[in-house]
Amino acid sequence: DTGVSQNPRHKITKRGQNVTFRCDPISEHNRLYWYRQTLGQGPEFLTYFQNEAQLEKSRLLSDRFSAERPKGSFSTLEIQRTEQGDSAMYLCATLGGGVSTNEKLFFGSGTQLSVL
Amino acid sequence: DAKTTQPPSMDCAEGRAANLPCNHSTISGNEYVYWYRQIHSQGPQYIIHGLKNNETNEMASLIITEDRKSSTLILPHATLRDTAVYYCIVRVGNSGGYQKVTFGIGTKLQVIP
Repeated sequence: DTGVSQNPRHKITKRGQNVTFRCDPISEHNRLYWYRQTLGQGPEFLTYFQNEAQLEKSRLLSDRFSAERPKGSFSTLEIQRTEQGDSAMYLCATLGGGVSTNEKLFFGSGTQLSVL
Repeated sequence: DAKTTQPPSMDCAEGRAANLPCNHSTISGNEYVYWYRQIHSQGPQYIIHGLKNNETNEMASLIITEDRKSSTLILPHATLRDTAVYYCIVRVGNSGGYQKVTFGIGTKLQVIP
């Protein structure tokens, strides 16, 4: 257990439905990343938060995707009008806030989304 | 972040050392080499990182060439539980701020009984 919690672990939805995933980071970590991973590929960067500010979004994050991190604590990733191509593992990762040479990404176990 | 190149797959006999190479020829002077591994259906897990000196911890050893353009992750006595995808990434390790962290496809290590 890395201390990063993601819910749900699995989500099956029908095409066109909206889904929301949640990530609870390690409490003192102020930097948070979302990644998407499809079978046989490495994690692909989606978006980054530092505290509550969303500082970067990948072009992979279409207008159907939105992410929030209210008050710099937990984060949510919502996908509207899901498509079959959205089927993937969605991973959350966090980094500590201090200036340290031991910065490590801590990943959650991910949410596996299947769009039927 | 600098790009890395890894072989897509490797096999290793159980109990033998697994040596996983990584090329990072465009690495910058302030970028560290990090290794993560991902066991099926889990998120990537940190293994080890280093700047220019060789590093060892309870999981693995990291050997970085003198010119820092390549590195090798060594699992000294591979077990079946080490079967996973191993990712080598390079990034600034002491930024305190934003940096994009990108992953390649990694090396799928299969430990054979």
